[in-house]
Amino acid sequence: QVQLVESGGGVVQPGRSLRLSCAASGFTFSSFDMHWVRQAPGKGLEWVAVIPYDGDNKYYADSVKGRFTISRDNSKNTLYLQMNNLRPEDTALYYCAKVTSLGHYFDYWGQGALVTVSS
Amino acid sequence: EVVLTQSPGTLSLSPGERATLSCRASQSVTNDYLAWYQQKPGQAPRLLIYGAFNRATGIPDRFSGSGSGTDFIFTISRLEPEDFAVYYCQQYKTFGQGTKVEV
Repeated sequence: QVQLVESGGGVVQPGRSLRLSCAASGFTFSSFDMHWVRQAPGKGLEWVAVIPYDGDNKYYADSVKGRFTISRDNSKNTLYLQMNNLRPEDTALYYCAKVTSLGHYFDYWGQGALVTVSS
Repeated sequence: EVVLTQSPGTLSLSPGERATLSCRASQSVTNDYLAWYQQKPGQAPRLLIYGAFNRATGIPDRFSGSGSGTDFIFTISRLEPEDFAVYYCQQYKTFGQGTKVEV
């Protein structure tokens, strides 16, 4: 069965960096676009970034552009999110999500990795 | 970029009642690429409806979606106790702000 397991969350001071990982299993990882979606405490869902199946043409939300980098290693079935120059407003639960075979929709989500940015 | 506005913000209903949720887009949604998700406390979102009206795998038929263009409706025909949750509409990189269905 499909599994997405995030790791790498934690508490970090403003301006510092953190890298999240998402280990995928149960499907052909190299065939699907992957996304990061975040949710601030008590708030709604916010899309963060997407990387196509082949790793080209990545896109980012304006709120993270220039600070976050999405990447993937298809040989390791792993998705990454490198987060630099973190701000308090980046505090959230970060989900990795797989798109359906149709694209556009997220059919599997991880359990989330909590990132807290605080001094 | 499209903005999705959901209404109402909170819907207070009882088990067995019908729930009707709205999602309005600021511009026409391409090919009706509109989805609905359910999120319960402490859980990741779950895909319920895609392409405006198609139920995802394993989703009960009490859940349905309709609409096109800029106006979409999500309906739970008869609320079960496990249906009380927050529901989000989504068009690719944009989510609505959510509707909480509470007892």
